[in-house]
Amino acid sequence: DAMVIQNPRYQVTQFGKPVTLSCSQTLNHNVMYWYQQKSSQAPKLLFHYYDKDFNNEADTPDNFQSRRPNTSFCFLDIRSPGLGDAAMYLCATSRDKLAGVYNEQFFGPGTRLTVL
Amino acid sequence: DAKTTQPNSMESNEEEPVHLPCNHSTISGTDYIHWYRQLPSQGPEYVIHGLTSNVNNRMASLAIAEDRKSSTLILHRATLRDAAVYYCILKSSGDKLTFGTGTRLAVRP
Repeated sequence: DAMVIQNPRYQVTQFGKPVTLSCSQTLNHNVMYWYQQKSSQAPKLLFHYYDKDFNNEADTPDNFQSRRPNTSFCFLDIRSPGLGDAAMYLCATSRDKLAGVYNEQFFGPGTRLTVL
Repeated sequence: DAKTTQPNSMESNEEEPVHLPCNHSTISGTDYIHWYRQLPSQGPEYVIHGLTSNVNNRMASLAIAEDRKSSTLILHRATLRDAAVYYCILKSSGDKLTFGTGTRLAVRP
């Protein structure tokens, strides 16, 4: 089945140690998104790629970066994780960014990041 | 951004209909109304969306008020698997999904 895959499902890192989360999709969608969801809060968009065009949210810390080497894969890099970065990180895709058709976002199961 | 207002929580009995309300009094003419839900320990999943007319799909129905200032997501027969947080989101073309606090639905057996 076509899907959005996130690996690993659980990631533990140390304070200040760089960590990379990965996302892959078999949907061949143009748009890929990264969201951060802290405990008991709603998902918050960090950035997205429209094809190769990177779009950063204004309030996303510089500590968070992303790479999209091809259509299928997208990575979230946290350069120096702090305790406040512990959260669920969700990857999502959509065929396009239009509001009507092609607007459904497909989410992966998330990677839960723990910072020690 | 136009905002939505939802009750924090609701309860329903299994196999009964559920009506989840959403107020969006500042909706613009180009805003679509989207509903997503998030089951425990999973990523959100799309439920339904609409612009002006009521919409039905295999998961739910969406009833949109004539003035578009409110909408209701209808689950026709709630099951235990429908227990989730339901998000009502307004979205125009090219805009991001901005999740609000959502409604946590509990389903009693």
